[in-house]
Amino acid sequence: GEDVEQSLFLSVREGDSSVINCTYTDSSSTYLYWYKQEPGAGLQLLTYIFSNMDMKQDQRLTVLLNKKDKHLSLRIADTQTGDSAIYFCAERLTGTASKLTFGTGTRLQVTL
Amino acid sequence: NAGVTQTPKFQVLKTGQSMTLQCAQDMNHNSMYWYRQDPGMGLRLIYYSASEGTTDKGEVPNGYNVSRLNKREFSLRLESAAPSQTSVYFCASSQGPGELFFGEGSRLTVL
Repeated sequence: GEDVEQSLFLSVREGDSSVINCTYTDSSSTYLYWYKQEPGAGLQLLTYIFSNMDMKQDQRLTVLLNKKDKHLSLRIADTQTGDSAIYFCAERLTGTASKLTFGTGTRLQVTL
Repeated sequence: NAGVTQTPKFQVLKTGQSMTLQCAQDMNHNSMYWYRQDPGMGLRLIYYSASEGTTDKGEVPNGYNVSRLNKREFSLRLESAAPSQTSVYFCASSQGPGELFFGEGSRLTVL
């Protein structure tokens, strides 16, 4: 079955690193994604990782994938107030084209 | 650069009323989707259309119908709205197994 879970809330100070975690249950996931939703807006793709990778870095973003534990994380270095948003992880299963299953979302609050 | 456009952005309905949410994309994408977003539950797929002329049920299709009018447009209809359908609805599109592009959402309240 498909089930993607995240903690609901994370608060960090500006300049610190943020780590947002996600667990998924289906081992046949092919791609795993991180989307960002700013207030009053739709979701925008931040980054993604293919399931045969264990790490991907893109500027301030680092994605780590532990396939054995079915655990995905997003690290944001030097977190800024503009990073305050809801972050969703999502998985795409083999053979399901672009049908994604989203997690519950983690609200990141960045304080001064 | 419109991307994915949804209308209306806000709507208030009474229980039992019907309405249609409209979605159009100008990126020539094959696949289109309707999701609903509820607090603490993330996004749940209602219906999707992998290509023009096809539609399939997602995770929560009950109480909804869809029409893939042409390649650009994918509408979501509530025939008899219920308070449980109060939500924020998102339309999205994609080209094959790639990034989903989302509209800005339609906030629906059913009294």
